[in-house]
Amino acid sequence: GQNIDQPTEMTATEGAIVQINCTYQTSGFNGLFWYQQHAGEAPTFLSYNVLDGLEEKGRFSSFLSRSKGYSYLLLKELQMKDSASYLCAVRGGNRDDKIIFGKGTRLHILP
Amino acid sequence: GAVVSQHPSWVICKSGTSVKIECRSLDFQATTMFWYRQFPKQSLMLMATSNEGSKATYEQGVEKDKFLINHASLTLSTLTVTSAHPEDSSFYICSANSGRVQETQYFGPGTRLLVL
Repeated sequence: GQNIDQPTEMTATEGAIVQINCTYQTSGFNGLFWYQQHAGEAPTFLSYNVLDGLEEKGRFSSFLSRSKGYSYLLLKELQMKDSASYLCAVRGGNRDDKIIFGKGTRLHILP
Repeated sequence: GAVVSQHPSWVICKSGTSVKIECRSLDFQATTMFWYRQFPKQSLMLMATSNEGSKATYEQGVEKDKFLINHASLTLSTLTVTSAHPEDSSFYICSANSGRVQETQYFGPGTRLLVL
């Protein structure tokens, strides 16, 4: 079976750093994605990891360890607009294979 | 990034009617599109994979006769909710592979369906 786990909710303070973890067990692996979703809107793409290591993109970084089935999304210099759900998603063995989403982590930013 | 559009963005209909939702890739060709459904405060649930020129692949528990999918061209997929009922009220989102290096999926803006 396929399983993607991430915390349900997290709270952090404006200007701080927060790390959202994701663990997965899937049949085959061809990439891990992080998406941001604001309430009532469609998800927007944040990052993509297919090899082990850290990918940095501005205030957001994403890390992957394939041997551990583990990823995290790191958000720096938090802003109020970062309050959203963050979805961890994994694609199976083929390039056109479906992407399975975790249940998402709702991040609350406090002033 | 790649652009995916959906139409309509909002639908309110009476129970028993059918509703068609269109998903278009505007600046790229998509041989594969995906249809998701999202209930309030829940994550995206994949309903089906739409393949151009062939039948859609449905996820377990999704009724293929109720949710009709047609992938008529490389830029258009449609989802028809037949004989809609209040429990079908949800946020329907399509996505498509861009075919570019990162191979990510780009999402349409979603269609909110309310069945009265």
